[in-house]
Amino acid sequence: GAVVSQHPSRVICKSGTSVKIECRSLDFQATTMFWYRQFPKQSLMLMATSNEGSKATYEQGVEKDKFLINHASLTLSTLTVASAHPEDSSFYICSAGQGNNEQFFGPGTRLTVL
Amino acid sequence: QKEVEQDPGPLSVPEGAIVSLNCTYSNSAFQYFMWYRQYSRKGPELLMYTYSSGNKEDGRFTAQVDKSSKYISLFIRDSQPSDSATYLCAMGEGQGFSFIFGKGTRLLVKP
Repeated sequence: GAVVSQHPSRVICKSGTSVKIECRSLDFQATTMFWYRQFPKQSLMLMATSNEGSKATYEQGVEKDKFLINHASLTLSTLTVASAHPEDSSFYICSAGQGNNEQFFGPGTRLTVL
Repeated sequence: QKEVEQDPGPLSVPEGAIVSLNCTYSNSAFQYFMWYRQYSRKGPELLMYTYSSGNKEDGRFTAQVDKSSKYISLFIRDSQPSDSATYLCAMGEGQGFSFIFGKGTRLLVKP
């Protein structure tokens, strides 16, 4: 199957720091990428849908000024958590769509905000 | 009623057993049904992808969709300890790509 990578895999930062997470589709072009957040023992919650070259569509309750998404190319999307706080600590997972409605997930980034 | 319901488990079975994992849903517009496997602290991995009703088989895995009952299942034959993971069902309406995930069922296969 298609491969999606995420970087970094883990980040620990102080409160107030901004954190950038990269999501790359390695062997296919992804017109659409998705960002999810997963709290312990919870399911994946869609945060936003990102289309290459256009603004991301955010789910209700997700602050677009706090979770900045840039989908600059068909293989790269970035999520920046602006001024992270401890309540932002979570597992952030991206996925990339291949056009036939399949989504392939990255390995996730564990963010811990102290 | 939540859109997708999935028993969180844990479901504990002996090695070699047949495992049945299930999800129910309420939105009759769902057309695409997926099963993902997620190991601890890892991203989900797509196992099975089904469009509309019917069965799909891939090795030891069989996915079933019963749209009339709004019920989907994943069967694992000859279960192995390496199958121990959380299994998430997901479903969506169509080309909008926005999927709804179940909470996941934690499976433990004991040697």
